[in-house]
Amino acid sequence: DIDMTQSPSSLSASVGDRVSITCRASQGISDSLAWYQHKPGKAPKLLVYDASRLETGVPSRFSGSGSGTDYTLTISSLQPEDFATYYCQHYFSPPYTFGQGTKVEIK
Amino acid sequence: EVQLVDSGGGLVQPGGSLRLSCAASGFSVSNNYMGWVRQTPGKGLEWVSVMYSGGDTYYAESVKGRFTISRDNSKNTVYLEMNSLRPEDTGVYYCARQQWLVMLGPNGFDYWGQGTLVTVSS
Repeated sequence: DIDMTQSPSSLSASVGDRVSITCRASQGISDSLAWYQHKPGKAPKLLVYDASRLETGVPSRFSGSGSGTDYTLTISSLQPEDFATYYCQHYFSPPYTFGQGTKVEIK
Repeated sequence: EVQLVDSGGGLVQPGGSLRLSCAASGFSVSNNYMGWVRQTPGKGLEWVSVMYSGGDTYYAESVKGRFTISRDNSKNTVYLEMNSLRPEDTGVYYCARQQWLVMLGPNGFDYWGQGTLVTVSS
């Protein structure tokens, strides 16, 4: 099974800040990686797939990058509605494990 | 419009069983990869199971042998049969569709149900 290690587990940031979250797979996953935003009481929302492709309707301040085993989600200018928990997930082969999550809080 | 409606959660004693349902509209579950994801208290998201369009099924190690994913094409519904439930199975269970794009194949889960709460406690 492929383990996904996400960091940091939480961060505090201000509106307008640039924020980056990293995800490391225990083996190469050929860019088979998605990023989700999850807010309390709501279903997770797909932001990025195939490591760097932005899902339709997602603001361009979100971007994904990386290759091999190391991937990054970047929010270029944090907005009030972006405070949430973010997860990476691989879909290289089942089981499609998630990272542990990164909670983005208001500073 | 694509929609997934989860149902079937509730309170069950350890060792008991529950069947979750995921009613889909706006697309056919038989032509898509359909999965279940859960969020347990104090923890993050955990992938539980997936059923491919061809019928192959896969499970997380933590539920293998206890949970079964299935579908009823006539009802356009996906199910998660959960047996031998444990307190650590407590959480919100989401049904989700795995997106499939031409030339790119399967990728992330693009549509999700609203979630259904399962509580395993005596």
